Amino acid sequence: GNSVTQMEGPVTLSEEAFLTINCTYTATGYPSLFWYVQYPGEGLQLLLKATKADDKGSNKGFEATYRKETTSFHLEKGSVQVSDSAVYFCALSDNAGDDKIIFGKGTRLHILP
Amino acid sequence: EAEVAQSPRYKITEKSQAVAFWCDPISGHATLYWYRQILGQGPELLVQFQDESVVDDSQLPKDRFSAERLKGVDSTLKIQPAELGDSAMYLCASSLRETQYFGPGTRLLVL
Repeated sequence: GNSVTQMEGPVTLSEEAFLTINCTYTATGYPSLFWYVQYPGEGLQLLLKATKADDKGSNKGFEATYRKETTSFHLEKGSVQVSDSAVYFCALSDNAGDDKIIFGKGTRLHILP
Repeated sequence: EAEVAQSPRYKITEKSQAVAFWCDPISGHATLYWYRQILGQGPELLVQFQDESVVDDSQLPKDRFSAERLKGVDSTLKIQPAELGDSAMYLCASSLRETQYFGPGTRLLVL
């Protein structure tokens, strides 16, 4: 079945450091890929998405590229801020988000000032 | 900006009691989802509605869980009787096309 594997946390970085959170997936067909973020005490928010191979999703300085050849969708940001501290979930869907979403276990990110 | 509403935000109950959670999706969103998120894990789908019809409830423990969306708008998720292992965050989401929008969740603690 479809599944998502992401790097375990917590990840602790200093402000302005470069961030990478690795995510790989297993799926039949051509899933859509997502990164969701969950700030403390809040629900999940869509951070970015990509619906086909080689697409790059971007938002708030975060980027991720849909790599079919390596079945990966790694999240990157060039300079993190304290306000980026949250839990990040990689996810996939078989039908561009209108079908159930399969989430990874989440990666907790701590940014130190 | 329209949001998915959920209530209550927090619920503490004793095992064997009944609990119910309510969700009001974004207006016009035909698809509604209930997810369960155990601490330290990603959310897992419990049930998906398209309007008032259940599309997928394959992961819903039907011996104790039930969900309804009678008029195709708001929805209720019920657990009866609650068990210790049901302690989790229950998330509701709705979608119109490609993007699912999540509510703030109901955190359930079963004692």
